[in-house]
Amino acid sequence: DVKVTQSSRYLVKRTGEKVFLECVQDMDHENMFWYRQDPGLGLRLIYFSYDVKMKEKGDIPEGYSVSREKKERFSLILESASTNQTSMYLCASSSPGGNYGYTFGSGTRLTVV
Amino acid sequence: SQQGEEDPQALSIQEGENATMNCSYKTSINNLQWYRQNSGRGLVHLILIRSNEREKHSGRLRVTLDTSKKSSSLLITASRAADTASYFCATVATSGTYKYIFGTGTRLKVLA
Repeated sequence: DVKVTQSSRYLVKRTGEKVFLECVQDMDHENMFWYRQDPGLGLRLIYFSYDVKMKEKGDIPEGYSVSREKKERFSLILESASTNQTSMYLCASSSPGGNYGYTFGSGTRLTVV
Repeated sequence: SQQGEEDPQALSIQEGENATMNCSYKTSINNLQWYRQNSGRGLVHLILIRSNEREKHSGRLRVTLDTSKKSSSLLITASRAADTASYFCATVATSGTYKYIFGTGTRLKVLA
């Protein structure tokens, strides 16, 4: 069964910590995405990647960075976590062309205290 | 930026009834997709309709697309308690990007 795996379902971190959210897909997809989901705001795109070592900013990249050293892995990094980054983080992957839909991971609910 | 807007924001129906959700978008699209999200989980892809299609079926799901009105609807027939979830539409613009833009979702509650 093909899937996208996010390393943690729940995470609690302290303000100022550096936080790594990991996402791995086993579908050989070129495209990978990080979204955050907040009540009333829907899903907002943070960063995406079309290929290894490639990244592009989404709509809300401030306070985040990403790394894609291997095709199957796309990491989201919170350089210095803040309370306004408390959210549900969703990773997704897709094949090229945008014609087949995303496959999402189960999400990581991050709380920054 | 949010392209898709679902309507209604919340819907509560009895088991066995049909549920209809609508999605409006702003720019020209390549395709439109519907996703389901159970509480606290990731989104699951339900169905994709291309810009040159008007209607598509998958099991109890029926999706229509009206590109002249920039709108789509998702109909779930004979709803079940297990259909309780949030439903999102997502669009892919024709501008060459592969980014999907999601709406804010419709929360569906099916009462047993």
